[in-house]
Amino acid sequence: QVQLQESGPGLVKPSETLSLTCTVSGNSVSSGSYYWSWIRQPPGKGLEWIGYIYYGGSTDYNPSFKSRVTMSVDTTRNQFSLQLNSVTAADTAVYYCGRSYGSLSEIDFWGQGSLVIVSS
Amino acid sequence: DIVMTQSPDSLPVSLGERATINCRSSQSVLFSSNNKNYLAWYQQKPGQPPKKLIYWALTRESGVPDRFSGSGSGTDFTLTISSLQAEDVAVYYCQQYYTTPFTFGQGTKLEIK
Repeated sequence: QVQLQESGPGLVKPSETLSLTCTVSGNSVSSGSYYWSWIRQPPGKGLEWIGYIYYGGSTDYNPSFKSRVTMSVDTTRNQFSLQLNSVTAADTAVYYCGRSYGSLSEIDFWGQGSLVIVSS
Repeated sequence: DIVMTQSPDSLPVSLGERATINCRSSQSVLFSSNNKNYLAWYQQKPGQPPKKLIYWALTRESGVPDRFSGSGSGTDFTLTISSLQAEDVAVYYCQQYYTTPFTFGQGTKLEIK
């Protein structure tokens, strides 16, 4: 069974960098069939796709985040990561990682989510 | 970006009754080469991640009860729950994956009347 688990600091100061890692089990991030996404959900609000990464390192970022976001993949640890720079209170959200089968595909497996609060 | 608009925002329905949620995209999500609509529906319960219910606009995910069905094409889509059960109380989202950035509707909160 595929499982994804987010991890990282739950509190980040304004202007600093938010860093999260998604650990995948039951599936290899090196599989050429899958794309690995980050999605966020501010408290009480809807879902926003941040972007995804392919195992070879190619990425597609939402232009809303493009200047601030970096995604990477670590095939040796079967993980992929998100970095979001220059955060503000508006970046407070539950961050989910997810898997899609193909570059234009729905998200079929989701992590449980990681709440990140931006506050001094 | 493709804008996804759901209606209504909130939907009170009696147990056993039909629930209908609509989703409209700002441009067509029908890929002409394969005649598929790149549209998914998700269910999200409090404190949980979204769960995929429907993909290709009308294909039910394995294990999803058959009271859930999807319909529509092009820019207009519908999620129907034929007979509402208590466990169906949740927020429902549509999502287009026709092009990046992938975008979601604002959500419809389904509750018991």
